Amino acid sequence: DSGVTQTPKHLITATGQRVTLRCSPRSGDLSVYWYQQSLDQGLQFLIQYYNGEERAKGNILERFSAQQFPDLHSELNLSSLELGDSALYFCASRFSGESTDTQYFGPGTRLTVL
Amino acid sequence: EDQVTQSPEALRLQEGESSSLNCSYTVSGLRGLFWYRQDPGKGPEFLFTLYSAGEEKEKERLKATLTKKESFLHITAPKPEDSATYLCAGTGGTSYGKLTFGQGTILTVHP
Repeated sequence: DSGVTQTPKHLITATGQRVTLRCSPRSGDLSVYWYQQSLDQGLQFLIQYYNGEERAKGNILERFSAQQFPDLHSELNLSSLELGDSALYFCASRFSGESTDTQYFGPGTRLTVL
Repeated sequence: EDQVTQSPEALRLQEGESSSLNCSYTVSGLRGLFWYRQDPGKGPEFLFTLYSAGEEKEKERLKATLTKKESFLHITAPKPEDSATYLCAGTGGTSYGKLTFGQGTILTVHP
């Protein structure tokens, strides 16, 4: 158990809908990262937050957004969903923003768009 | 653009048959090279972090090494429970710690 929690575990929805994925980092960790894992793309970085502020963005679609709250949990919002958004979404946390620190991953949310 | 390439894509071993997984990287200003293990439908589980060429780390039957261009994950006398996907990832100096992952090596160990 990494100490990172994600809810829900599974999400099934229809095209055009909006969903919110939630992540609680390990106790004391200030940085949260979101990744998407699909069969053809592998694990891809989406976005990073550090202590409530956006730090870095990857190839995140404009339909996707995220935020980190004062209690350090984070939410990833996906809107106008398409079939191709079906994937595993992981969050990872680490103590600081230093690149040499290890990221610990949560169990993931499996999103299925029908 | 940072790139991480893993080989082979899949590896089948008999129990006790030692082998190595390869990770080639092109990461600007490499700050860390990470190995994770991932079971189907689960989150990546941290194994090792390597920071500089020549560094080695061991954990049970696994040993990770790092050169200036590659990293290897050596598996000694594997057991069926070592079957999983092994992921390699790098982070560079200006990336704020985002990980660039390889596609992974699917390891299957037969009893």
